[in-house]
Amino acid sequence: GEDVEQSLFLSVREGDSSVINCTYTDSSSTYLYWYKQEPGAGLQLLTYIFSNMDMKQDQRLTVLLNKKDKHLSLRIADTQTGDSAIYFCAETAMDSNYQLIWGAGTKLIIKP
Amino acid sequence: ETGVTQSPTHLIKTRGQQVTLRCSSQSGHNTVSWYQQALGQGPQFIFQYYREEENGRGNFPPRFSGLQFPNYSSELNVNALELDDSALYLCASSSGQENIQYFGAGTRLSVL
Repeated sequence: GEDVEQSLFLSVREGDSSVINCTYTDSSSTYLYWYKQEPGAGLQLLTYIFSNMDMKQDQRLTVLLNKKDKHLSLRIADTQTGDSAIYFCAETAMDSNYQLIWGAGTKLIIKP
Repeated sequence: ETGVTQSPTHLIKTRGQQVTLRCSSQSGHNTVSWYQQALGQGPQFIFQYYREEENGRGNFPPRFSGLQFPNYSSELNVNALELDDSALYLCASSSGQENIQYFGAGTRLSVL
């Protein structure tokens, strides 16, 4: 079945770039998403990318997609303390009734 | 434009009871998806409703059921509650092929 994997933790210094990685198994994935979850809160959509794209940039966020390796990354430039959160990668495939398949989330820790 | 709202925010039930969770979708969205998020894990897809019909279901038993109303709001019902049902229940609304799902803040259910 489909599976999405992420590292559980990432620690970076304030002001550095953060790169959060994700791998997925479903080759029919059409859209891939990054969501952010702060403690006790719901999921906030950060960005998404269509599977025929390689890269998408939105202000401090850059998404890279390597479809051959089924690898997705999220780069956050100039990481700030407000970026502390859990980041989830998710995919959807047209043959799965549009349900989202999620990774377990990467907790981003910011060091001063 | 109002976002996705869920009620109640917190709920405490005892094993064997029944619970109803509510979700109002974002204006213009005709699809509602429900997810269960256990502590420290990614969300798990429960089911999706599109124009009042169930449009896909995850690996959850029949005691998890739902409804969608003509105004596209939705309910999640869980019968015969078990301790393992304790989780954050998230509702997301969406519309269109991109399946961009916008989430509410969730309902935290505790089963004692």
